[in-house]
This record gives sequence, structure tokens and C-alpha cells, in this order.
Amino acid sequence: KNEVEQSPQNLTAQEGEFITINCSYSVGISALHWLQQHPGGGIVSLFMLSSGKKKHGRLIATINIQEKHSSLHITASHPRDSAVYICAVLRGGTSYGKLTFGQGTILTVHP
Amino acid sequence: NAGVTQTPKFRILKIGQSMTLQCTQDMNHNYMYWYRQDPGMGLKLIYYSVGAGITDKGEVPNGYNVSRSTTEDFPLRLELAAPSQTSVYFCASIRGQGRSGNTEAFFGQGTRLTVV
Repeated sequence: KNEVEQSPQNLTAQEGEFITINCSYSVGISALHWLQQHPGGGIVSLFMLSSGKKKHGRLIATINIQEKHSSLHITASHPRDSAVYICAVLRGGTSYGKLTFGQGTILTVHP
Repeated sequence: NAGVTQTPKFRILKIGQSMTLQCTQDMNHNYMYWYRQDPGMGLKLIYYSVGAGITDKGEVPNGYNVSRSTTEDFPLRLELAAPSQTSVYFCASIRGQGRSGNTEAFFGQGTRLTVV
């Protein structure tokens, strides 16, 4: 079983829909990162969370440390949101500093 | 402030050749990483470092070597290139300071390597 599991693996939406991507992890962490990768492009950071909730524009990220679960929400989705969204956990404990990725969620938003 | 600079952007190697992928960051980040991404797949950790003089293996270290002699630089060395090392390579950095002091992750632009 992977240490970081994302769901769904693929997600198709119509423009304007509310989108949720989930991330569960099974290891101790000091932070969780949400990243975005456009086709053929680089990787950019969306959020870094160690507790609670953060919001940037139409994007909201939450984390529940006790349940080892995080969600990324996109409100009023737009075709330009089409990308791969990746959850990554920054390990704590004896593996501190190790950054482990989920397999990614491919999001396609149709006009 | 250039962030994470990765070179080269593209490279074609012949089987058995060697090369070094360079990664430099100017943000005084202590954590640095090398990942590879095969077509249609997720990112796999090759090596990482939590500070100068410290390196650790990731999930797929075979065929690679790293060094971290300074905070800024984290080069990745391929000694005997093989077709299985054809991939896109990303370098990343984070300032890690425990639960309350971590920063977001910064990534280089990627290196597209083909071994023929």
C-alpha cells in the first residue's frame, strides 16, 4: 500500500462545477503540499499545510491531522484548471525531510 | 531571487555515457530533492538531502549518485547511462524547520533526458 493515496485518479468536470480531490496518508508528517502540473509543464506549489485550512482565490485546501486526510477543493471550475494535482507529504520522525508524492489526480474541465 | 535553477533542460546520452544534472537554489533552503517522472507516471524520489553533507536514498536510487557539499547545490550524477534512465528529472527544495517552520516547495523546470 502506498504511503500517500489520492482519489480519484481521473476526474472530468463541466465548467462551473465544484471539485474535490482527496489525499490520505499513513505516515507521520510535518507538512502536506498540494502541487499542480500542467501537461508538458513544470510543477508549482499551490498550498503547504500543517493544520487547518487555507484559501487562495477559488482553491481551498484542508487537512485533518488526526484522520491523516487532506482535501483540495476548486470552486467554480474553469478549463484552465485542467492539470494534474499532486499531494505530497513532508515526513517527520526518523524519515524527516523526505517528501513523498501521491500518484496524482488528472483533472479535465470541459467548457 | 532565481528560485531553483536546473540545467540542462534537454540532453541526449548514449548508453554507457556519464553526465551530471545541476541543481542550485538561492533561498537558503536546507531540504533538496531529485525526482524522476516517466511518461504518464507520477514522480519518484531518487535522492534527497536535509542539509549540507547529508544525503539519503529515495525510492529509485540505483544508477545515480548525489553530493551536497554546499547548501545551494545538489548535483545528480549518472555514471553509466541506460535506456531505463530516459525520463524527465526534477529538482526541488524546501526550507524545513519542523511543523511550524516549513515553506512551500519550489521546483526546477525539469531536465528531459533521453538515453539511446
